[in-house]
Formats: sequence, C-alpha cells, structure tokens
Amino acid sequence: AQKITQTQPGMFVQEKEAVTLDCTYDTSDPSYGLFWYKQPSSGEMIFLIYQGSYDQQNATEGRYSLNFQKARKSANLVISASQLGDSAMYFCAMREARNNNAGNMLTFGGGTRLMVKP
Amino acid sequence: DADVTQTPRNRITKTGKRIMLECSQTKGHDRMYWYRQDPGLGLRLIYYSFDVKDINKGEISDGYSVSRQAQAKFSLSLESAIPNQTALYFCATSDGNRGLSNQPQHFGDGTRLSIL
Repeated sequence: AQKITQTQPGMFVQEKEAVTLDCTYDTSDPSYGLFWYKQPSSGEMIFLIYQGSYDQQNATEGRYSLNFQKARKSANLVISASQLGDSAMYFCAMREARNNNAGNMLTFGGGTRLMVKP
Repeated sequence: DADVTQTPRNRITKTGKRIMLECSQTKGHDRMYWYRQDPGLGLRLIYYSFDVKDINKGEISDGYSVSRQAQAKFSLSLESAIPNQTALYFCATSDGNRGLSNQPQHFGDGTRLSIL
C-alpha cells in the first residue's frame, strides 16, 4: 500500500486566493513527521513546513499552514494568498520513527502540480 | 554558495557507459542520500549513508553503487547505464544527531541524466 498519497495530480488556483493540497498517509508508527516540499520548474527541492505526530497545534510558516487531522491520517497543505511564484510541484513526505535507525529516510508522495492563474 | 552541490547538473550519455554523479556538502551533516525522480513521480531512495563507513541500500539500489569518500562527499555511480535510468537525481543531507526531529533533509539542485 502507498504510504503517502496525493490524490490531486494538478490544480489551478486564482492569484490571491487560498488553495489546499491534499496528503494522506499510512503508518502504524505512533511517532512520525510529515514534510512538505516545493519543486519549481527549475527542479530544486525546497522545504516548506513540518508537522510532528505529537504536535498539539497545526504547523504554520508564513503563508503555509498544515491542516493536520491525525485520526484521518491527513496533512493537507494550505497556501494562503496564492502568488504566481507558487506555481510548482508540491510533495508531501513522511519520516517514521522506526526508520530513525535506518537513516531518517523520507517516503514521498507522487506530488501535486499547482498552477496559479493571474 | 549552495550547501549541497551536485555535479554535473546535466549529463547526456550512451547506453553501457559508466557514469558518476558527485555530491558535496558544507552543512556538516553526517547523513547523506541519493534519490531519483521520474517524470510525474515523487522521489525514490537509491542509497543512504550514516557516515563514511556505513552505507545502506534504499528502495531501488539495483544498477547503482555509491561511495562515501569523506563526510562531505557522496558519489553515485551507474556502472553500465541503461535508458530506464534516465531521471532527475537528487543528493540530500540530514543531521543524524537529532534523532526523529523536525530537521528536514536538504537537497541539492539535482542532476538531469539522459541515457540514449
């Protein structure tokens, strides 16, 4: 079974509007972390935001926030006030505690391509 | 200057050739990783290394080998390249001293490899 599922291959959003990118995950490990990365067309991977499984509050970083619903195993990324520069691929990834001794490995979803319309 | 540097940035080569992709980092991290990304897909782990003496296979290690020449250097080799190894390759680092932490992996800018 897929550990990280991103069900939206592509999405459009109007500039200045908010958009939610979905991410669901599958783990039996009670301790894990979830990461979101942005990949612009130039190809680099840019870290955006992190949510730990024991964090009491949803993570926020500037215009990025996480809608973390632990019981539903979802960690959706919310981008507020979209900008043209937000057009990119977005990847959700998970690190499980049991993999800590296996190198802090990340498991990635297939990504969502976000296109911001002017 | 980039903290994680990959060379070359782009490479086109022929089937059967030996290819080496290099990665160096100035972050002082002990853990290093090699991933590949195929079009429209997420990243998949090829190899990872705890330190110079500790190298481990990832999800898709067949057809690849690695060398950790120093804490700051981790190279990926394709001994006999084949077309289905055409992909975008990423090197990444992380700080292994912090356990399961909120520290992200830091990625290089990637190497676009095309095998004809």
